[in-house]
Amino acid sequence: GAGVSQTPSNKVTEKGKYVELRCDPISGHTALYWYRQSLGQGPEFLIYFQGTGAADDSGLPNDRFFAVRPEGSVSTLKIQRTERGDSAVYLCASSQGTENSPLHFGNGTRLTVT
Amino acid sequence: DQQVKQNSPSLSVQEGRISILNCDYTNSMFDYFLWYKKYPAEGPTFLISISSIKDKNEDGRFTVFLNKSAKHLSLHIVPSQPGDSAVYFCAASSTSGTYKYIFGTGTRLKVLA
Repeated sequence: GAGVSQTPSNKVTEKGKYVELRCDPISGHTALYWYRQSLGQGPEFLIYFQGTGAADDSGLPNDRFFAVRPEGSVSTLKIQRTERGDSAVYLCASSQGTENSPLHFGNGTRLTVT
Repeated sequence: DQQVKQNSPSLSVQEGRISILNCDYTNSMFDYFLWYKKYPAEGPTFLISISSIKDKNEDGRFTVFLNKSAKHLSLHIVPSQPGDSAVYFCAASSTSGTYKYIFGTGTRLKVLA
């Protein structure tokens, strides 16, 4: 595709429910990143994939958060037992995965936990 | 610990004048820096980057300056246009690490017509 695609664009869920957020990166990009952005803050790093493997998952806040990229393209961020504090915009980005290659972001999924 | 800091939450500039956005970092391992622009309800858009082997990079109206000794970078926009009104984020990474990018908290630029 032309850019990074994220679905859904908006998701409202009840506290305690499970959600999945999907990211379709730019074709050919080997690196894929998930960030979370709360109001008035900058994007906060969650996890980074190089190919199918998680190269750095140091930003995942706790074990309720998990992400996969089984075929090295589309990625899914999974949040179990959602909490109101998980409400944020979840941004996905991809890059060529080489040194000094910039990230290209999707428009994000706005998650609201009620 | 905020490794990348943008201490000015907002900035207003007259159309046609220069906009200067600042960013400071604390991690001396950072060697690649980027600026992003973000409009409401959209993802951040890449603007310009600089490697630590340079102290200046220019692309049209946008110039980024890097002062490694001060751990400081700035983005200059000249001339500023109303369409430049957005939130600007700086980001940094270490190429000796895992290419993880750390972002600042952003500066909201308003260009007044």
